[in-house]
Amino acid sequence: DAGVTQSPTHLIKTRGQHVTLRCSPISGHKSVSWYQQVLGQGPQFIFQYYEKEERGRGNFPDRFSARQFPNYSSELNVNALLLGDSALYLCASSLRQGGEKLFFGSGTQLSVL
Amino acid sequence: GESVGLHLPTLSVQEGDNSIINCAYSNSASDYFIWYKQESGKGPQFIIDIRSNMDKRQGQRVTVLLNKTVKHLSLQIAATQPGDSAVYFCAENAGGNTPLVFGKGTRLSVIA
Repeated sequence: DAGVTQSPTHLIKTRGQHVTLRCSPISGHKSVSWYQQVLGQGPQFIFQYYEKEERGRGNFPDRFSARQFPNYSSELNVNALLLGDSALYLCASSLRQGGEKLFFGSGTQLSVL
Repeated sequence: GESVGLHLPTLSVQEGDNSIINCAYSNSASDYFIWYKQESGKGPQFIIDIRSNMDKRQGQRVTVLLNKTVKHLSLQIAATQPGDSAVYFCAENAGGNTPLVFGKGTRLSVIA
């Protein structure tokens, strides 16, 4: 069975640019969550989507946005990139909304120069 | 891939010994807890979970203990192997639509 897949695996951008990260959940999972993991820290919650609706948002600026498609895949968009946005961006899927039993992909390593 | 925990607390154990990784959680309303293992260049991997109506749960070579009185969670790994070397995170959830909140992580280093 395929797990959570994310693309791209690595990305290099410059300050001010825009980035789109993509995620496909485990088959049958209807919820997708996005986390940011800065080096040396635990993952920080950004968004959760369930049945194509935003169900939760963490303490991130409006430059961060996301959406979920009818096939339950998801995109995370970040505008006006800052150096501090450099991090590993993780997508997780789960059967239900909320914070139980999330299954993570391998992430997208974003470097902002 | 890059290491995800260059400056984390580190626990070093001999191969074959038991490991105990501790976690103090922050929210007294949390009623569900998960331990994740994260290897370099990978996302967190689910190990074991426990609900607040339990104080112990066992899996294959792993045991999670929950002490709600002092808001403490521990992960015990029996007969630690080199493949157990990774960063371990505890995560807590307060139910409903609240998100899963991660702790700071501990790096486990297994000495062969």
